[in-house]
Amino acid sequence: RKEVEQDPGPFNVPEGATVAFNCTYSNSASQSFFWYRQDCRKEPKLLMSVYSSGNEDGRFTAQLNRASQYISLLIRDSKLSDSATYLCVVILYTGGFKTIFGAGTRLFVKA
Amino acid sequence: DGGITQSPKYLFRKEGQNVTLSCEQNLNHDAMYWYRQDPGQGLRLIYYSQIVNDFQKGDIAEGYSVSREKKESFPLTVTSAQTNPTAFYLCASSTKGGNEAFFGQGTRLTVV
Repeated sequence: RKEVEQDPGPFNVPEGATVAFNCTYSNSASQSFFWYRQDCRKEPKLLMSVYSSGNEDGRFTAQLNRASQYISLLIRDSKLSDSATYLCVVILYTGGFKTIFGAGTRLFVKA
Repeated sequence: DGGITQSPKYLFRKEGQNVTLSCEQNLNHDAMYWYRQDPGQGLRLIYYSQIVNDFQKGDIAEGYSVSREKKESFPLTVTSAQTNPTAFYLCASSTKGGNEAFFGQGTRLTVV
C-alpha cells in the first residue's frame, strides 16, 4: 500500500461546479499536511496547509481527519484557471522528517 | 528576492555521460531535496539533505550522486549508471523541522 494515495482522476467539471478531492495516508506518525498545485510542465506550488480544525482560503477549503487518516480539498465555483494537478503532501516524523507526495489528481474545468 | 534556482532549464545528455544539475537557494533553508517526475507520475525522492555535509538516499538514489558543501547549494549528478535518466528533475528546500517545501522551476533532462 502506498504511503499517500490519491484518486488520479481526471476530474472533468464545468465552470462553477464544486469539486472535492480526497487523499489517504497510512502512517499515523504523519504530522503536517499540505495541498500543492502543479500546472503542466511546471513546478509544484504550495496551495494551502491543512489544519485539524479545517481551514479556508477563498474558494478553497481543506480538512483533516486524523482518525480516518485522510485529508480533503474542496474547490467551490470552479474557474477555468483551476485546471491543474493537485498534489497531497504528508510530512511524517520517524526519527527524522520525511516528506511524501501523492501522485496527484488531475482537474479539468470546462467552459 | 528570495528563492530557489535550478539550472539549466533544459539539458541534453548523450548516453554514457555524467551531467550535473544545479540547485541554489537563498532562503536560508537547512533542508534540500531532489525529486524526479516522469510524465503523468508523482514525485519520487532521489536524495535529501538536512544539514551541510550530510545527505541521505531517497527511494530512487541508484545512478545519482549529490553533495552539500554549502548550505545554499545542493547539486545533483546524473551518472552513466542511471539507465533511464530522461525525466523532469525538481529541487526543493524547506526550513528545518518538516515545514512546507518550496520548489525550483525544474530541469528537463533528455538523453539523446
